[in-house]
Amino acid sequence: TQLLEQSPQFLSIQEGENLTVYCNSSSVFSSLQWYRQEPGEGPVLLVTVVTGGEVKKLKRLTFQFGDARKDSSLHITAAQPGDTGLYLCAGVNAGGTSYGKLTFGQGTILTVHP
Amino acid sequence: NAGVTQTPKFQVLKTGQSMTLQCAQDMNHEYMSWYRQDPGMGLRLIHYSVGAGITDQGEVPNGYNVSRSTTEDFPLRLLSAAPSQTSVYFCASSYSIGGHEQFFGPGTRLTVL
Repeated sequence: TQLLEQSPQFLSIQEGENLTVYCNSSSVFSSLQWYRQEPGEGPVLLVTVVTGGEVKKLKRLTFQFGDARKDSSLHITAAQPGDTGLYLCAGVNAGGTSYGKLTFGQGTILTVHP
Repeated sequence: NAGVTQTPKFQVLKTGQSMTLQCAQDMNHEYMSWYRQDPGMGLRLIHYSVGAGITDQGEVPNGYNVSRSTTEDFPLRLLSAAPSQTSVYFCASSYSIGGHEQFFGPGTRLTVL
């Protein structure tokens, strides 16, 4: 089973600050997805990164896929209270019996205070 | 489109009871899956299906059964509930297996006493 270590587990910051969430693995993934989850709801896809070294931007959110496709980061610039939520990374397994299935990180609970 | 629907939203069971969590999607997706979410552990795959009549085990299948008689429906059965099955359960669907966007239902919060 491939593992995906996500850090930090909790992040509490003030509005306007920047932050970075990391996902790391010793395994190669064919792609990596980032989801955001609100309390009482299911996760919603933010972005998928596919190519090693790829960088995608979604307004104030910047997603990067590592060159070796083993790690990824999410950077939020000038965080706002509306960014509060649970952020999950999910690697798409590249081969073997787990091909195509998702391996989720543990999640990062982000709280942005006004 | 309703997307992915799950019922019930909340459920309390006693140890040893059985129940079925319902999941339906109206997007004609081939791939459906069940996850459980526990604090600090992300989402773990219980069972999945790549099409009607085809199911397979995920990472944590023990104590759960599934069937897929139609493209739309993918129920999850707890055979004999145990306190370790207290969790939030999510059903998800996607176009196919292999990295496509997964659409999640709103979840079922299950407590086993």
